[in-house]
Amino acid sequence: GESVGLHLPTLSVQEGDNSIINCAYSNSASDYFIWYKQESGKGPQFIIDIRSNMDKRQGQRVTVLLNKTVKHLSLQIAATQPGDSAVYFCAESQGGSEKLVFGKGTKLTVNP
Amino acid sequence: DSGVTQTPKHLITATGQRVTLRCSPRSGDLSVYWYQQSLDQGLQFLIHYYNGEERAKGNILERFSAQQFPDLHSELNLSSLELGDSALYFCASGYQMDYGYTFGSGTRLTVV
Repeated sequence: GESVGLHLPTLSVQEGDNSIINCAYSNSASDYFIWYKQESGKGPQFIIDIRSNMDKRQGQRVTVLLNKTVKHLSLQIAATQPGDSAVYFCAESQGGSEKLVFGKGTKLTVNP
Repeated sequence: DSGVTQTPKHLITATGQRVTLRCSPRSGDLSVYWYQQSLDQGLQFLIHYYNGEERAKGNILERFSAQQFPDLHSELNLSSLELGDSALYFCASGYQMDYGYTFGSGTRLTVV
């Protein structure tokens, strides 16, 4: 069935370190993936996306890696800052579908 | 401010009651998506409207219904409320049929 899961429910890092948040997806037909950040009391905020014809995409301090062979997605945050503390969700979509399937989320805590 | 406006922000109501949640999409966005976020189920897709027409349904209960009006705002109606309906309800909007949703800040529904 369709499901997007996360390996670690919580991640704690020191300020300035790099963070890696992982996500496994089960639908091999998924062709579009998004990472969202959700801060307390707010809605999910788009961070970065990647399509299945790419392996890597970079944004400002963030990089998403896609490994279709093992159906794995990761979000790398460089020089993690306290403002990065939030819950991070990966989401997948299958071509032609307007529905995003979200993972359970990973809570990132950045320690000063 | 994401540009997606949801009202009310908080709602407390009794079991058996009916409530209406409202969403105004970002200017220019034709699609409206509704999601439910609960602690045990994460973000669950409910329904998608595009330019007034229903496009896709997810795990939406028969007690729930939605519509999108000519001015593109949308309403999610929840009836015969149960304790388990307590959750955050998010609306997201997008332009045409692309996937980069923008989420509102949500409505927190508490059923007592």
